Amino acid sequence: SQQGEEDPQALSIQEGENATMNCSYKTSINNLQWYRQNSGRGLVHLILIRSNEREKHSGRLRVTLDTSKKSSSLLITASRAADTASYFCATDAGNNDMRFGAGTRLTVKP
Amino acid sequence: NAGVTQTPKFQVLKTGQSMTLQCAQDMNHEYMSWYRQDPGMGLRLIHYSVGAGITDQGEVPNGYNVSRSTTEDFPLRLLSAAPSQTSVYFCASSYSRDGAWGYFGPGTRLTVT
Repeated sequence: SQQGEEDPQALSIQEGENATMNCSYKTSINNLQWYRQNSGRGLVHLILIRSNEREKHSGRLRVTLDTSKKSSSLLITASRAADTASYFCATDAGNNDMRFGAGTRLTVKP
Repeated sequence: NAGVTQTPKFQVLKTGQSMTLQCAQDMNHEYMSWYRQDPGMGLRLIHYSVGAGITDQGEVPNGYNVSRSTTEDFPLRLLSAAPSQTSVYFCASSYSRDGAWGYFGPGTRLTVT
């Protein structure tokens, strides 16, 4: 069964705008990760946030984690057409079994 | 480094046939895994390995076998293909079990008719 659930399922924005995607999960986790998948390709690991962290940055990416609400968000600032992809959150409960959500499909229009 | 490589890229099987999906990595990673991705769903873990000679089941292991005789290779065997196994299969590897599958292969698109 899926652990993480992304919201929205699809998001379409103009280049230069910010994109926010959310992830909710059900059980306690050790960490949560975000991945990007370009059409027809494998996943690329973007960022990992541990359960004792609340916010993490990597370039134009900002990830927050609220363990009390069992939710995370991924913010992409100043989006570019090249950011068009599907974004997945994955939760790690520490038992070698990471669970992925169904993903958010982001389209950035030039 | 070639990273994680998978062969074949595409495969069509008839129901009941068997085949092996190959996965190899040249980064000396201990951790390797196989996922399947179905439309509208996230990736689901089939099997994983924490080192040569050690494998374990994931979320959806039925109908698949794995072995890990070397650090580099982690083949996935479909014993008797079924249409429900039509999917895209991804192999992933990681240096440590620190939560992140850092490297994914390009995927194998399998169709079972």
